[in-house]
Amino acid sequence: AQKVTQAQTEISVVEKEDVTLDCVYETRDTTYYLFWYKQPPSGELVFLIRRNSFDEQNEISGRYSWNFQKSTSSFNFTITASQVVDSAVYFCALSEAKGYSTLTFGKGTMLLVSP
Amino acid sequence: NAGVTQTPKFQVLKTGQSMTLQCAQDMNHEYMSWYRQDPGMGLRLIHYSVGAGITDQGEVPNGYNVSRSTTEDFPLRLLSAAPSQTSVYFCASRDLGGLQETQYFGPGTRLLVL
Repeated sequence: AQKVTQAQTEISVVEKEDVTLDCVYETRDTTYYLFWYKQPPSGELVFLIRRNSFDEQNEISGRYSWNFQKSTSSFNFTITASQVVDSAVYFCALSEAKGYSTLTFGKGTMLLVSP
Repeated sequence: NAGVTQTPKFQVLKTGQSMTLQCAQDMNHEYMSWYRQDPGMGLRLIHYSVGAGITDQGEVPNGYNVSRSTTEDFPLRLLSAAPSQTSVYFCASRDLGGLQETQYFGPGTRLLVL
């Protein structure tokens, strides 16, 4: 069975601080995908990134970066120089790399960035 | 290209009433799914479909029915609503292929059962 753990329920930072959201996963599969989604206060789910289990290169996209470490089963998400607009709930998710596989979500981390 | 659409956006039901949450996508995706989101629980899979005429249960299927008569539509039916079904419901779709493709979500339906 797959499991995704986001141990941080809520994080509060002040604007311009860096913040890291943790994600730890469990799976028996050797090939899988990891995802991060953002849910702003407006409620929609916005796709941020997808990562293959066989590609452990870290990725950077503007102020966002992702650190994938297979050895510790972690896929952490860092926001550099946080902004008020980053305030949202962030979900980490896991799926097998098979066509019919389903997506398992963590419980989410609420990030509050204050000015 | 509207992506994934859901109707209604908000609904209030009385216990025992029935209703159908609509979901449609215009991306010709074979895979569609329904999730519910409850505070502190993340998103949990209710039902999913891998093509017209094919559906399967997810983690929390009790109290919900689905059918898939076309590629575009995947309605979720509550036959007899209960307060425990108060939640936000999201529909999602993606391509089917050899590997997991990204799921795209609709805007959600907020349901309140009194």
